[in-house]
Parts: sequence; structure tokens; C-alpha cells
Amino acid sequence: LAKTTQPISMDSYEGQEVNITCSHNNIATNDYITWYQQFPSQGPRFIIQGYKTKVTNEVASLFIPADRKSSTLSLPRVSLSDTAVYYCLVLNNTDKLIFGTGTRLQVFP
Amino acid sequence: GAVVSQHPSWVICKSGTSVKIECRSLDFQATTMFWYRQFPKQSLMLMATSNEGSKATYEQGVEKDKFLINHASLTLSTLTVTSAHPEDSSFYICSAKTSGRSYNEQFFGPGTRLTVL
Repeated sequence: LAKTTQPISMDSYEGQEVNITCSHNNIATNDYITWYQQFPSQGPRFIIQGYKTKVTNEVASLFIPADRKSSTLSLPRVSLSDTAVYYCLVLNNTDKLIFGTGTRLQVFP
Repeated sequence: GAVVSQHPSWVICKSGTSVKIECRSLDFQATTMFWYRQFPKQSLMLMATSNEGSKATYEQGVEKDKFLINHASLTLSTLTVTSAHPEDSSFYICSAKTSGRSYNEQFFGPGTRLTVL
């Protein structure tokens, strides 16, 4: 499993765009980049997954450069309810989910 | 769709007793279920993987005789913490995967907070 590095915490204000970068220098050819969101005292929730370039859904966008050694989760116009821990995982379709420390995002009014 | 429930949502027990936690996939069949543990301010730690009808596979360092996992049907897995002690107090979370989905996309339950006195 590729090791990932992401900031421990980030602060933002409501209405701003938040970009959380994840480094994964040892990503393998078969690996996908997956992001989960976890609110306090709840189970994680799948947000988005991508392999290369850009993926967008109703929640977020995921930007992956050509070398795939990093990725950026972009949350447009965050609100207070986006305060959570965001986990970046890099794995192939048969790997177990191994969670790192994640990024604790705090959104202020 | 793809809802996973856990019961109970919280439990307090005395040291030495056993506690059973249920994990159910409500609207899909879960070929594989996973159990995680999370201590305060820490990340999730995978404890074991269970496939319906077969023995669970435990991660290194997890005592299989202490954390009994049963996956009797495609919609139910149970975790029994036997002879619980205060150090077992934690947030236990299950997740489920369907046969048509990759391991990357799992559906998590809301978690069960266990407090051992």
C-alpha cells in the first residue's frame, strides 16, 4: 500500500474553497486515489475516487497530476457542516482500507 | 441505498463482561464486512475482515479469542468483545462491501461507542 502524507489540520471560513493536498510518491500503476470524510462520532463516508486528471461529483473535485504522485481534494464553498476529518487513501481494488491520520478541517463562520 | 446500521449505538458494561455489537447491511448484500476500532483523536484501525460463511481474518496484533466475529448471513456480522476491560473502551465501526464494488468504496456504519467500567 502506498504511504500517504497530508496536512494534520486546516482552517477555513464559510464560503471559501478548500484544497487538501495528499502526497503519495510510491503510488503503483494499479492504485486509485480515494478520499473519505468522517464527522465526529460517525463512521467514514466515501467522497470521491480517481485515477488520473480530474474527477468531479456533487460533493467535491479531485485533481491528479500526470505523475500521480500527489492529489488535491477540492471542496467548493465550504460550510460549517464540512467540518470533519478527511482521509486520503491510495490502494488498488483488492486492498484493505488502511486509514492514515487524515486532515482535520475546521470551518469557521 | 447502501445503508449500514450498527446496534447498539453505545454501550456501557462492567469489566469482565462480554458485549456483542451487530452490523447490518439494510438494503444490499454484503459479501465482505470489516471491523475497525478508533480511539479518541486517532485514526481508524482495521481489526478484521469477515466473509459470509467463513472465518474472519484478523489483522496482526488483534486477539481473535477476545474479539469474536461472526458473519452468518449476507446482511449481518457481529463482533463480540469477550471479557471486556477498560482498555477495550473505544469506538467500534463496521463497514460493508458489495460484490459489485471495489474495496475502495465501502459503506460504513454509524459506529458503536463501548465504555468498559
